[in-house]
Amino acid sequence: GQQVMQIPQYQHVQEGEDFTTYCNSSTTLSNIQWYKQRPGGHPVFLIQLVKSGEVKKQKRLTFQFGEAKKNSSLHITATQTTDVGTYFCASYNNDMRFGAGTRLTVKP
Amino acid sequence: DSGVTQTPKHLITATGQRVTLRCSPRSGDLSVYWYQQSLDQGLQFLIQYYNGEERAKGNILERFSAQQFPDLHSELNLSSLELGDSALYFCASSPGTGFTDTQYFGPGTRLTVL
Repeated sequence: GQQVMQIPQYQHVQEGEDFTTYCNSSTTLSNIQWYKQRPGGHPVFLIQLVKSGEVKKQKRLTFQFGEAKKNSSLHITATQTTDVGTYFCASYNNDMRFGAGTRLTVKP
Repeated sequence: DSGVTQTPKHLITATGQRVTLRCSPRSGDLSVYWYQQSLDQGLQFLIQYYNGEERAKGNILERFSAQQFPDLHSELNLSSLELGDSALYFCASSPGTGFTDTQYFGPGTRLTVL
């Protein structure tokens, strides 16, 4: 099945700095979803991308799906302390596979 | 609050025992999904039910089973528990049949096997 590798594992930034997490696959993905999990919380769906080269924005968050549909990224501009948490990518086919997640900490 | 409820919040048990985790989906949602989150394995999809029928299967062990009842609540049964089964178990729900739907996760049940 589809496997997604996610990097980096951890990212520590100063408030106001940008943050990016990447997901990569050796095979073509039919879709990619992004989730956020706050410390001690549950995953919360952020967005789904299905088209090659697709770019979607949610306020300071920009999501991209690669042209070859083998990679995706989530970029946060000017991080805030409320952005703290672990960001997961996931892809589904017959089942759902998650990346290992990127844990973001933000220093005020 | 996602509208998905899970009970209990915490469960501590011993190896070899059997436990049942319960999930009530959001009102109107017909699909229920079960996930396991552990430090070494990350977030793993276990199984999905749609309107009482098994819809998709992931990395669910044979010692684990699930069902969805006519009132749409679901139970995940874990038996012959091992230390490695200690994890957070999340339930999620969605309106439709597939993973294309937005899934709403519950707060989770933390299982500790001693």
